[in-house]
Amino acid sequence: QITLKESGPALVKPTQTLTLTCTFSGFSFTRGEVAVGWLRQPPGKALEWLAVIYWHGEKHYSPSLQSRLTITKDNSKSQVVLSLTNVDPVDTGSYYCAHRREKTYFFDLWGQGTLVTVSS
Amino acid sequence: DVQLTQSPSFLSASVGDRVTITCRASQGIARYLVWYQQKAGKAPKLLIYGASTLESGVPSRFRGSGSGTEFTLTISSLQPEDFATYYCQYLNDVPYMFTFGQGTKLEIK
Repeated sequence: QITLKESGPALVKPTQTLTLTCTFSGFSFTRGEVAVGWLRQPPGKALEWLAVIYWHGEKHYSPSLQSRLTITKDNSKSQVVLSLTNVDPVDTGSYYCAHRREKTYFFDLWGQGTLVTVSS
Repeated sequence: DVQLTQSPSFLSASVGDRVTITCRASQGIARYLVWYQQKAGKAPKLLIYGASTLESGVPSRFRGSGSGTEFTLTISSLQPEDFATYYCQYLNDVPYMFTFGQGTKLEIK
């Protein structure tokens, strides 16, 4: 059974760097065409994709946020980490990590999400 | 890059009603269209992929159809647990990005 869980600070000050960790179980980055993505959702607004990392290390970022995002993985810890630099109140929202089903174009399983507020 | 536009943005309906949500792509995307359901305060849940393939465990009252630029999600007989927000999604190749529609909120009348 695949599960994912996000963790990180609930409150971040403007201009700081937000670092979120996705800890997963039920699959491994060492086999299969696995990928994990990060997405977010401002309060009352639509879903927005941020980044994805594949089993072989390939990474992709949202073009609009690419300069501020970094995604990494730690196979030994079964974790994927997302960093977002220079945060602003518009970055407030729920952040989700999600499992991309092998050889597909969608996320089949999601973490519960973590709410991040950017405020001084 | 492909843009997805959902209509309507809000939909009010009653239990037992049949409802249809539309997702239009700015260019042809064959059948690479996905639907998610998101209940308030919860993570999205995969409903349909490949425009019409039901994810395992999704009730058969959900039906997806379409190809090219126009897609629909139909719920044949609304149940209380179906009141939620629905999103369509596509994976764009160039630039590489997962694109979502703006969402359709289905509310109880």
